[in-house]
Amino acid sequence: GAGVSQSPRYKVAKRGQDVALRCDPISGHVSLFWYQQALGQGPEFLTYFQNEAQLDKSGLPSDRFFAERPEGSVSTLKIQRTQQEDSAVYLCASGTAYNSPLHFGNGTRLTVT
Amino acid sequence: GQQLNQSPQSMFIQEGEDVSMNCTSSSIFNTWLWYKQDPGEGPVLLIALYKAGELTSNGRLTAQFGITRKDSFLNISASIPSDVGIYFCAPPNAGNMLTFGGGTRLMVKP
Repeated sequence: GAGVSQSPRYKVAKRGQDVALRCDPISGHVSLFWYQQALGQGPEFLTYFQNEAQLDKSGLPSDRFFAERPEGSVSTLKIQRTQQEDSAVYLCASGTAYNSPLHFGNGTRLTVT
Repeated sequence: GQQLNQSPQSMFIQEGEDVSMNCTSSSIFNTWLWYKQDPGEGPVLLIALYKAGELTSNGRLTAQFGITRKDSFLNISASIPSDVGIYFCAPPNAGNMLTFGGGTRLMVKP
């Protein structure tokens, strides 16, 4: 069975550009999380969806970050007017239900030049 | 906010040696999870602990949930080259939001 799929794997953006990162969770998984992992650090929580509802977005660093999951499956993380400090690996994870173990994708490595 | 401290931050070990690492928190958790992350990949769940004092094994890995619920330990026995990677403790908050420690980078000398 397919795992969590993220695309693109690598993205280079010039400062000020907008980017969109895609996450295809495991089919049927209700919960979906986005994490940001800076170089040499552990992942940090960004936002959480249960089906199409965004239940927690307290980790989004600024209003330039926006996430959606309109049909309760695929999710997109959008970053507007990218800055150098946005350079990181963005990880998506999905789970079957509340408190179930999460399955992570391989991430999108964003480099802002 | 919650702080997770993982120790050691990195370690070189000889193949065949046993490895110990730990994670301490300023907060109490009801579940402790240990993940491993290989280069270029996402974290993969190794072991889950659900009860204070619990000792759980998964092959060569053994993890313990501390009695105070503020710490956890992970041991790897007879290390092999494929054990290389970064090990994270990641206890979940309410709502299954994982808080990750800074990681222990394991490097094995062949």
